[in-house]
Amino acid sequence: QSALTQPASVSGSPGQSITISCTGTSSDVGGYNYVSWYQQHPGKAPKLMIYDVSNRPSGVSNRFSGSKSGNTASLTISGLQAEDEADYYCSSFTSSTTWVFGGGTKLTVL
Amino acid sequence: QVQLQESGPGLVKPSETLSLICSVSGGSIRSTSYYWAWIRQPPGKGPEWIGSIYYSGSTYYNPSLKSQVTISVDTSKNQFSLRMNSVTAADTAVYYCARTSGSNFYWGQGTLVTVSS
Repeated sequence: QSALTQPASVSGSPGQSITISCTGTSSDVGGYNYVSWYQQHPGKAPKLMIYDVSNRPSGVSNRFSGSKSGNTASLTISGLQAEDEADYYCSSFTSSTTWVFGGGTKLTVL
Repeated sequence: QVQLQESGPGLVKPSETLSLICSVSGGSIRSTSYYWAWIRQPPGKGPEWIGSIYYSGSTYYNPSLKSQVTISVDTSKNQFSLRMNSVTAADTAVYYCARTSGSNFYWGQGTLVTVSS
């Protein structure tokens, strides 16, 4: 199974909005509403930010939102803050009854 | 609030077997709502799903690791385990256990396993 495709890096200034894409195929992202997004700060475990495409767990800021169109899922962060600087990973269920992750996107807050 | 804690050796020799346990507290591993997963993350790389298990013992594995990996569950101890045989330096990673419901993965803190002689 191939990793989902994410941009290596994105950046934005405080207060701005950014979007991170996650591209798969009809056998994973496009075929199921089981896409999630994780935030990871250095040396820490990944933290769930979005699950099932667009659901936010309790305690996650509403500045984080998720969506999907075809084989591409997206994570949007609005009102960018310094503490949002981290690595972000997407994940999807697949038709092989497995899970696949993206390669990760490094978000820099300028 | 459920908590997951990974435990096991931090150093494993090449060609030997890596064994880890995930202890679950604050919730029952017998819950019909969840699967239980192992995920690893090599240094500087993205996560890789290793496999998942249901409390009944049904398992699903990453095809690229299937021949090397066994995941089992012990409901009496409220824990599940990972065994990975014939390890090489490429298996050096932080290993996480997680509780999963749909794409909602709740992760433990992880444990670093280094494969080296």
